[in-house]
Amino acid sequence: LAKTTQPISMDSYEGQEVNITCSHNNIATNDYITWYQQFPSQGPRFIIQGYKTKVTNEVASLFIPADRKSSTLSLPRVSLSDTAVYYCLVGDPLSGGYQKVTFGTGTKLQVIP
Amino acid sequence: EAGVVQSPRYKIIEKKQPVAFWCNPISGHNTLYWYLQNLGQGPELLIRYENEEAVDDSQLPKDRFSAERLKGVDSTLKIQPAELGDSAVYLCASSLGVLAGGHNEQFFGPGTRLTVL
Repeated sequence: LAKTTQPISMDSYEGQEVNITCSHNNIATNDYITWYQQFPSQGPRFIIQGYKTKVTNEVASLFIPADRKSSTLSLPRVSLSDTAVYYCLVGDPLSGGYQKVTFGTGTKLQVIP
Repeated sequence: EAGVVQSPRYKIIEKKQPVAFWCNPISGHNTLYWYLQNLGQGPELLIRYENEEAVDDSQLPKDRFSAERLKGVDSTLKIQPAELGDSAVYLCASSLGVLAGGHNEQFFGPGTRLTVL
C-alpha cells in the first residue's frame, strides 16, 4: 500500500495561491492520486484526481511529476472558506485497492484575512 | 439530488450499551463505506460493501462491531457493547463503484458523533 506524507499544517493569506505537496515514494503503476477536502463537522469532499502531468478543474490544479513520487495540490487565490483539512490518497480506484489506503492526518490549511 | 443521509447526527450512551448508526447512500451507488474518524485524524475504513456483499471488512473489530446492508441499499453499523474508546465520528460514504470507472469518488455523509460515557 502506498504511504503518503504531507505537511501537518499550513497558513496562507487570502488571495494567495496555496500549494500542498504530498510525497508517495512507493506509488504503484496503477495508482492514482486523489485529494479530498474536509470542513469541520462535515465528511470529506472530493476535489481532484490525477495520474500524471497536470489536471485542472474549477476548484484546483494537481501537478504530478514524471516519476509520480510526489504531487502538488494547487489552490488559486484562496479565501477564508478554503480553511479546511486536505487529504492526499494514493491507490487504484478501479480495483478497490484505493479504498484500503487510510486518509492519514491530512494538511490543515488556515487562511488568514 | 439528495446526498448521503446518516442518522442520528449525535449519540451519547454509557459504556457497555449497544448503539446503531444508519446510512442511506446516494441512489444508484453500489459501493458503501463505513469509516471511523477520531479527533484530529483522518477517516479510517471499517468496512466496504459492493451491493450487499462486504468485500473489505479487515479493519472492522468483529468482536463488538457488526454491519449489514441487506438489500444493497441502506446500511446499519452496530456496536455492542460500546467502550469508552469508541467515541468518535462514524462516517458513511458511497460511490458508483469500481465497475463504473472514472474517479470512483466517494460522497460522504455528515457523520454520527458518538460519545461513550
